[in-house]
Amino acid sequence: QVQLVESGGGLVKPGGSLRLSCAASGFTFSDYYMSWIRQAPGKGLEWVSYISSSGSTIYYADSVKGRFTISRDNAKNSLYLQMNSLRAEDTAVYYCARDGRYNFGALAFDIWGQGTMVTVSS
Amino acid sequence: EIVMTQSPATLSVSPGERATLSCRASQSVSSNLAWYQQKPGQAPRLLIYGASTRATGIPARFSGSGSGTEFTLTISSLQSEDFAVYYCQQYNNWLSLTFGGGTKVEIK
Repeated sequence: QVQLVESGGGLVKPGGSLRLSCAASGFTFSDYYMSWIRQAPGKGLEWVSYISSSGSTIYYADSVKGRFTISRDNAKNSLYLQMNSLRAEDTAVYYCARDGRYNFGALAFDIWGQGTMVTVSS
Repeated sequence: EIVMTQSPATLSVSPGERATLSCRASQSVSSNLAWYQQKPGQAPRLLIYGASTRATGIPARFSGSGSGTEFTLTISSLQSEDFAVYYCQQYNNWLSLTFGGGTKVEIK
């Protein structure tokens, strides 16, 4: 079935780095734009970044620009988020999500992973 | 950045009653608005896109309306599985996607 599975979360010290991965299955990954969206504990949703189907177009939220890098490997059906210079305020559950533009022409997220927790603390 | 404001923060409703949730944008987003449902410990689920189109598999009791800056999600007759947090999201500005702060629908 259509599925996204994130991995790579954990505890990291302020200023440290972490790389998240998202494995896609059950659909043609290379057809879809993908995004990372995060949710701090007890808080709402915050869009982090998206990448086009080919990887040629990338956007970031201002809060992570210059520190985070999104990438994808269509041959491996995988999405990545390299997070550097991590701060306490980056603590959150990180979700990868499929963009609906290919299916129904809207930048709404129709498939989500279960999320991976990133904790930034000394 | 387009700021999305949801109200109320918490809505207490009895099963079988109607729930009306509001979402306001700080500037026009046309009909480029989505609604999501999130239950504790779960990822969000897409309910509505294009302000009023139900996503695949979403029951007809969920309906969305509005355009410009004012939007409404209506749940016509609340079922036990509908008690959750609901978020709106604008995608009119592709360079900066933003979500509302959420409305928690709880059992009265």
